[in-house]
Amino acid sequence: KQEVTQIPAALSVPEGENLVLNCSFTDSAIYNLQWFRQDPGKGLTSLLLIQSSQREQTSGRLNASLDKSSGRSTLYIAASQPGDSATYLCAVTVSGNQFYFGTGTSLTVIP
Amino acid sequence: DTAVSQTPKYLVTQMGNDKSIKCEQNLGHDTMYWYKQDSKKFLKIMFSYNNKELIINETVPNRFSPKSPDKAHLNLHINSLELGDSAVYFCASGQGSTGELFFGEGSRLTVL
Repeated sequence: KQEVTQIPAALSVPEGENLVLNCSFTDSAIYNLQWFRQDPGKGLTSLLLIQSSQREQTSGRLNASLDKSSGRSTLYIAASQPGDSATYLCAVTVSGNQFYFGTGTSLTVIP
Repeated sequence: DTAVSQTPKYLVTQMGNDKSIKCEQNLGHDTMYWYKQDSKKFLKIMFSYNNKELIINETVPNRFSPKSPDKAHLNLHINSLELGDSAVYFCASGQGSTGELFFGEGSRLTVL
């Protein structure tokens, strides 16, 4: 069964710093990988979706990479801002309809 | 325009009661899901429907019964509520070809 792990569980950085969040999965036979952001008391907002044939995706200050063979993905956030404070979750799809979520990284950006 | 909407947002009820949560998506997606998020923020899939047909049914007590009247709606009915059912329940929808998931705001259920 697919297991998804995110490290670290919590991260606190000063504003302006670049940072990397990690996601690892045990079964490399994935359909795609998606990064989400969850604000307290809210639902999940999709940030980036990487198909299994892709190596990375970029959106603004966010860059996500995917290495299927090693079972890893990273989310790079450039020039962090206090508004980036949230929980970040990754999820892998093993078919078109089955998603497995990671445990999340709680990010705090200190002004 | 809310893409995935679920109601109610908050639900407080006594043990043993029956409650329902409704979900609607206006994205034209074929697949809808119910997820449960526990106190440690871990998200676990409960059910998945594709074009009104059940395709994923994880190990969930049969007190939980999903119903999909059409592909834009997926409701969750819970019978004989227990303390351990307290959680946030998220509805989501997606289109199989891209796999991107879109979530509702969540329904926080508290069982007293």
